[in-house]
Amino acid sequence: DQQVKQNSPSLSVQEGRISILNCDYTNSMFDYFLWYKKYPAEGPTFLISISSIKDKNEDGRFTVFLNKSAKHLSLHIVPSQPGDSAVYFCAAMVDTGNQFYFGTGTSLTVIP
Amino acid sequence: DAGVTQSPTHLIKTRGQHVTLRCSPISGHKSVSWYQQVLGQGPQFIFQYYEKEERGRGNFPDRFSARQFPNYSSELNVNALLLGDSALYLCASSLVGGRASYEQYFGPGTRLTVT
Repeated sequence: DQQVKQNSPSLSVQEGRISILNCDYTNSMFDYFLWYKKYPAEGPTFLISISSIKDKNEDGRFTVFLNKSAKHLSLHIVPSQPGDSAVYFCAAMVDTGNQFYFGTGTSLTVIP
Repeated sequence: DAGVTQSPTHLIKTRGQHVTLRCSPISGHKSVSWYQQVLGQGPQFIFQYYEKEERGRGNFPDRFSARQFPNYSSELNVNALLLGDSALYLCASSLVGGRASYEQYFGPGTRLTVT
């Protein structure tokens, strides 16, 4: 049962434009949401997180938006750079638990 | 500073065999989590250990077990290997367990192939 879903397996964006990666979830008990970036042959790298009590968190070029009513999460990258090309995973966890649920990933390609 | 290290990098085993994967967390981190990532899927949570105790377990059969040592390194053991166990096994460390463990740092993984 996939509780976190990333419905777009891939995304291509021109350098300098905005990249928007989407994530949907089904469990209303999730308290924290995270985005990870993964390069080939490396483990995922933590990128940015958001608590369920917030609707936006910003860190430099990366902004995560949370719409709890729609159970939807998005990551905005502005401006996109070629070095951002990677697989991006959305993940979620319940405050009282220790288990992280990951989506299937979206492969982002930023075209120079 | 060294990141999370895992050994071996690659491993080929035969069905029915047993395998042990190892993980060393970032210095100062006391929590280790294990994930299985099958090709084309996201990481699936297997275990979390914090202060040498199991703090979380995912939906995996009892063939999967793990432990954490006094130096906070960890082993993942899988018995009676099946073809479906072929995957990338990721270890992640964090300062603490539970809620505050969301800032996890992943190792490069061990690629297990079962033939």
